[in-house]
Amino acid sequence: DAGVIQSPRHEVTEMGQEVTLRCKPISGHDYLFWYRQTMMRGLELLIYFNNNVPIDDSGMPEDRFSAKMPNASFSTLKIQPSEPRDSAVYFCASSVSQGITRFGQGTRLTVV
Amino acid sequence: AQKITQTQPGMFVQEKEAVTLDCTYDTSDPSYGLFWYKQPSSGEMIFLIYQGSYDQQNATEGRYSLNFQKARKSANLVISASQLGDSAMYFCAMREVNRDDKIIFGKGTRLHILP
Repeated sequence: DAGVIQSPRHEVTEMGQEVTLRCKPISGHDYLFWYRQTMMRGLELLIYFNNNVPIDDSGMPEDRFSAKMPNASFSTLKIQPSEPRDSAVYFCASSVSQGITRFGQGTRLTVV
Repeated sequence: AQKITQTQPGMFVQEKEAVTLDCTYDTSDPSYGLFWYKQPSSGEMIFLIYQGSYDQQNATEGRYSLNFQKARKSANLVISASQLGDSAMYFCAMREVNRDDKIIFGKGTRLHILP
């Protein structure tokens, strides 16, 4: 089992650019979560999917953020346009219902 | 309202001593799960231990045990015989099965193990 795979591990981009973060969940997991971690706000749940369907996106900061899950093995989190305050570590995680949530290694995003 | 409360922002403990990290939670869902994760300085989130709300026994995983006091809504993590490698951030988390089945985290406790 390869675990949850995120790419890229690090991303540095200029303000105003589009950023796309990618995630491959663990095979067989039907829940996928996107979290953002900052020193100020801790771990925030941005959005989560069940069986590829977005269930709750109330944590998405604003319209600049969007997430998709076109199939059971792939999800993206997109920020367009990016701003310096979006700098954070973004985690993708997956689980089965009521199960243990496993995290990817995270993507460290820096917007300059 | 805070669903997961970790009251200790930071702790310093001597190596080989036992450590208790506090966690209280708030839920009206009778079916829930409680989790602890470790985040070392390298940044990954490592699952440590799980306790289900209907579990009769306290969960244990090696040097980790979860002191589950349901009536008090408390789920403290106990690390026995602490090691230098235990220095990390520790997060308590909860999943409410009947509500929305998403996992939410406390703010964490930073543990420093002193040689």
